[in-house]
Amino acid sequence: GAGVSQTPSNKVTEKGKYVELRCDPISGHTALYWYRQSLGQGPEFLIYFQGTGAADDSGLPNDRFFAVRPEGSVSTLKIQRTERGDSAVYLCASSSRASGGSEQFFGPGTRLTVL
Amino acid sequence: SQELEQSPQSLIVQEGKNLTINCTSSKTLYGLYWYKQKYGEGLIFLMMLQKGGEEKSHEKITAKLDEKKQQSSLHITASQPSHAGIYLCGADVTGNQFYFGTGTSLTVIP
Repeated sequence: GAGVSQTPSNKVTEKGKYVELRCDPISGHTALYWYRQSLGQGPEFLIYFQGTGAADDSGLPNDRFFAVRPEGSVSTLKIQRTERGDSAVYLCASSSRASGGSEQFFGPGTRLTVL
Repeated sequence: SQELEQSPQSLIVQEGKNLTINCTSSKTLYGLYWYKQKYGEGLIFLMMLQKGGEEKSHEKITAKLDEKKQQSSLHITASQPSHAGIYLCGADVTGNQFYFGTGTSLTVIP
């Protein structure tokens, strides 16, 4: 595809449920980032993949959050036992190489609402 | 916690006026990026600055990175309604993690 895509665009779930958010990066981009953005705030770093491996997952808030990128392209962010505080827009970005010299291309985000 | 501080938090200007947004870091930056975001949309890349003293321009938007690489400013000349949105500075501080500022909301009144 031409850009980064994310699905679904909106997700409404109930507290305690499990959700998966998908990110399709730009073809050939080895670096992939997940961010969480709450209303009125800048994006908050969650995790960074270089290829298939998570190079830095220190931004994941707790062990309910997990992300994978098994083939080095598509990534899935998984949230277990969702809480109302997880409600936010989840952004994915990809770049052609590691941060420090390459712009990140962002997807439109997935708006997660936990009731 | 936010590694980058942006000011002002919001700005309302009359069309045609100039404006400046600032981004300050307590640490030396490996690279400073400016993005623009419209409500409900992803971030759009504007500019990247890496060298101290570097200045880049695109149309009516100019960004500078100070010599010590700890502060950047974004200047818009003769603002237009199309400039409205949220401006975010972002930086690679650690080499892996990428931090964003809190954002500056810009409203341009026709």
